[in-house]
Amino acid sequence: DVKVTQSSRYLVKRTGEKVFLECVQDMDHENMFWYRQDPGLGLRLIYFSYDVKMKEKGDIPEGYSVSREKKERFSLILESASTNQTSMYLCASSLEISTDTQYFGPGTRLTVL
Amino acid sequence: QKEVEQNSGPLSVPEGAIASLNCTYSDRGSQSFFWYRQYSGKSPELIMSIYSNGDKEDGRFTAQLNKASQYVSLLIRDSQPSDSATYLCAVNRPGDKIIFGKGTRLHILP
Repeated sequence: DVKVTQSSRYLVKRTGEKVFLECVQDMDHENMFWYRQDPGLGLRLIYFSYDVKMKEKGDIPEGYSVSREKKERFSLILESASTNQTSMYLCASSLEISTDTQYFGPGTRLTVL
Repeated sequence: QKEVEQNSGPLSVPEGAIASLNCTYSDRGSQSFFWYRQYSGKSPELIMSIYSNGDKEDGRFTAQLNKASQYVSLLIRDSQPSDSATYLCAVNRPGDKIIFGKGTRLHILP
């Protein structure tokens, strides 16, 4: 079974802090994704990566950056957290970017005070 | 026009009845279609994928694809209270990544 894990289930940070969210997958998937999910807005893609050290912006990249130094690990970085970044963050991975199932991690509920 | 459109619901269906969830998409070139289920506070999990016109059945679930009309639907037979969740439709942009709809909340009435 594919397993996608995220470093924290719940996180509380203060405005201006630098925040790291980590995601690890164990199925040798090429593609990894970071989404945020907010009520009424659905899943919105922040960034995705199709290979080590390769990344592309999604629909809402502002205020975020990512890092993929190893195939199995994809990190989301909030350089200076703001209250409007309070959200559920979901990581996903897939073998093929367009035709294959995305497998999701359990999510991180981030609250920025 | 939104790329992937779903009625937000809630859709209320009596236990034992058939629940019908619909999704329309805008890009005629889309070739991959997915239904995910998401329980409250949990992450989405795949129920079914469908790539060809017609019906695909898996247990109580049937996915239906009509590319000419650009819609994909999910039928849940013999609905159970445990089917109460949000159902996300996902469609690929041709040659590109998958786009998710906002989801339909389904409530099965005991």
